[in-house]
Amino acid sequence: NAGVTQTPKFRILKIGQSMTLQCAQDMNHNYMYWYRQDPGMGLKLIYYSVGAGITDKGEVPNGYNVSRSTTEDFPLRLELAAPSQTSVYFCASSYTGARYEKLFFGSGTQLSVL
Amino acid sequence: DAKTTQPNSMESNEEEPVHLPCNHSTISGTDYIHWYRQLPSQGPEYVIHGLTSNVNNRMASLAIAEDRKSSTLILHRATLRDAAVYYCILNLDSNYQLIWGAGTKLIIKP
Repeated sequence: NAGVTQTPKFRILKIGQSMTLQCAQDMNHNYMYWYRQDPGMGLKLIYYSVGAGITDKGEVPNGYNVSRSTTEDFPLRLELAAPSQTSVYFCASSYTGARYEKLFFGSGTQLSVL
Repeated sequence: DAKTTQPNSMESNEEEPVHLPCNHSTISGTDYIHWYRQLPSQGPEYVIHGLTSNVNNRMASLAIAEDRKSSTLILHRATLRDAAVYYCILNLDSNYQLIWGAGTKLIIKP
């Protein structure tokens, strides 16, 4: 199994540009999450989804949008990129979302906004 | 607000045990304690979790203080492949929120 796959691995954007970060999982997990990690810090939750068609905001949702049309895919959209969005983005998934359940993470997308 | 506090870095010799501490004095009764590790340029990887009792798995052991205000991740015999940043995380009883600290960078000396 591939697990959680993120594309692209690296991207440089100019201020004001838009892009979509792709995330796909092949484990039939219901729950998917987007996190960002700033240098030397832990992860912060941007958005999460409990199933196809259902999404909700996390701790830092401003400047981002998500959609979940299938169980497998959970893309993250950046509109009007700003330097503050320079970060490493991680997608994760879990089967039930239970608090004792482990998350499976992708390898990340490093984004620079210049 | 819930938070975790860990040392910035620790060093250990290869093939010796490692004890990584974490303080979480604001933990509530239903918050789970998770540990993940992150190798350079990779996503976090699950290590272990617990609620009240000590836990063991093939990767590590987790010792939780009786008052739950602190915990210790134990790597029984560290190898060079265990060099990573280790995060102590609280999984709160709301909104799928994980409270991440800044983590401990573990350096393994050959």
